Amino acid sequence: DGGITQSPKYLFRKEGQNVTLSCEQNLNHDAMYWYRQDPGQGLRLIYYSQIVNDFQKGDIAEGYSVSREKKESFPLTVTSAQKNPTAFYLCASGQRSANTGELFFGEGSRLTVL
Amino acid sequence: GNSVTQMEGPVTLSEEAFLTINCTYTATGYPSLFWYVQYPGEGLQLLLKATKADDKGSNKGFEATYRKETTSFHLEKGSVQVSDSAVYFCALRENTDKLIFGTGTRLQVFP
Repeated sequence: DGGITQSPKYLFRKEGQNVTLSCEQNLNHDAMYWYRQDPGQGLRLIYYSQIVNDFQKGDIAEGYSVSREKKESFPLTVTSAQKNPTAFYLCASGQRSANTGELFFGEGSRLTVL
Repeated sequence: GNSVTQMEGPVTLSEEAFLTINCTYTATGYPSLFWYVQYPGEGLQLLLKATKADDKGSNKGFEATYRKETTSFHLEKGSVQVSDSAVYFCALRENTDKLIFGTGTRLQVFP
């Protein structure tokens, strides 16, 4: 079945450690996105990529890094510079072309810093 | 810049009650508008969408009409069920390819 797979579903990290969240899609979408969700704040855009080997910062990129070496994959690294990394992270993909298309979301990864 | 404003929740209803969740937007051009639903512990699922003024999106008994004159896209359902309990997000997408979300509205339906 086509879709977006995020892993791991739950992740615990000690302060000072970097962690990488995986996002893979087999929908043949050009564009991929990472959002962060905090209670009462909706979804905020971290990074997005419209094509392989290119990506742009979203609204809250500080303390995060990404890569887009393959069309299917868009991993997110939460670095030790991120001051408040405990959150629910959602990956999405969509067609790059028109602005009429919806985004498709993964099941999310919940990161907890101990 | 572009933005989406939703009514704050939670919205608490009895089963079979009528639902309205308000959503208004600010955009410089002609965005597409979406409603997404998030069930506990899950990602977001597209509920419905509308791509131009006066379009009505509908799915699973939910409806929303793209009103350009009032810059609104209110979500409605005539008779809610317990299984509709979830968080609902209004969103817009314009030329930047980004999806901009409202803060979400939690709906709780009791038997």
